[in-house]
Amino acid sequence: DQQVKQNSPSLSVQEGRISILNCDYTNSMFDYFLWYKKYPAEGPTFLISISSIKDKNEDGRFTVFLNKSAKHLSLHIVPSQPGDSAVYFCAASAANDYKLSFGAGTTVTVRA
Amino acid sequence: KAGVTQTPRYLIKTRGQQVTLSCSPISGHRSVSWYQQTPGQGLQFLFEYFSETQRNKGNFPGRFSGRQFSNSRSEMNVSTLELGDSALYLCASSSAPQETQYFGPGTRLLVL
Repeated sequence: DQQVKQNSPSLSVQEGRISILNCDYTNSMFDYFLWYKKYPAEGPTFLISISSIKDKNEDGRFTVFLNKSAKHLSLHIVPSQPGDSAVYFCAASAANDYKLSFGAGTTVTVRA
Repeated sequence: KAGVTQTPRYLIKTRGQQVTLSCSPISGHRSVSWYQQTPGQGLQFLFEYFSETQRNKGNFPGRFSGRQFSNSRSEMNVSTLELGDSALYLCASSSAPQETQYFGPGTRLLVL
């Protein structure tokens, strides 16, 4: 049962514009959320996280928004750069649980 | 601080053989988790170890096992390999619950 869903398998955006990636979850016990970026044949690289006590967290060009009532989070990348072209995974965990549940990933392509 | 390291990076085995993969966590991290990534199933949680004890296990058959040593290094073993075990096996370490998990580069296993 997929508890974390990324319904858009791909996203194409022009360089300099905003990339918005979406993620939905079904498990109400999840209270910590992360975004990872992954290149082929490499391990995921941590980007940004947010706990359920917040609704927004910002780090440079990356901002994550959390809507607990809708069980929805999004990652905004502004401005998008060619090096951002990768697969982005949303992940979630419950309190005191080391297990991460991942979405299927969204492939972002930044066009010059 | 050195990142998570995994050895070997690539491995080719035949059906029926067994394989052992190794993971060295970030210094000071006591939790090690293992994940399997395949094109069809995405990133799936295998198990998590803390202080040499398996605390959490994903939905994988008993052919998949692991252990953790007193220095926090971890190994996972897959016995009686099947073609479907071909995947990227990722190890991640973290210092505490709901602290960020940092991933290694992965071991690419091909079963022929």
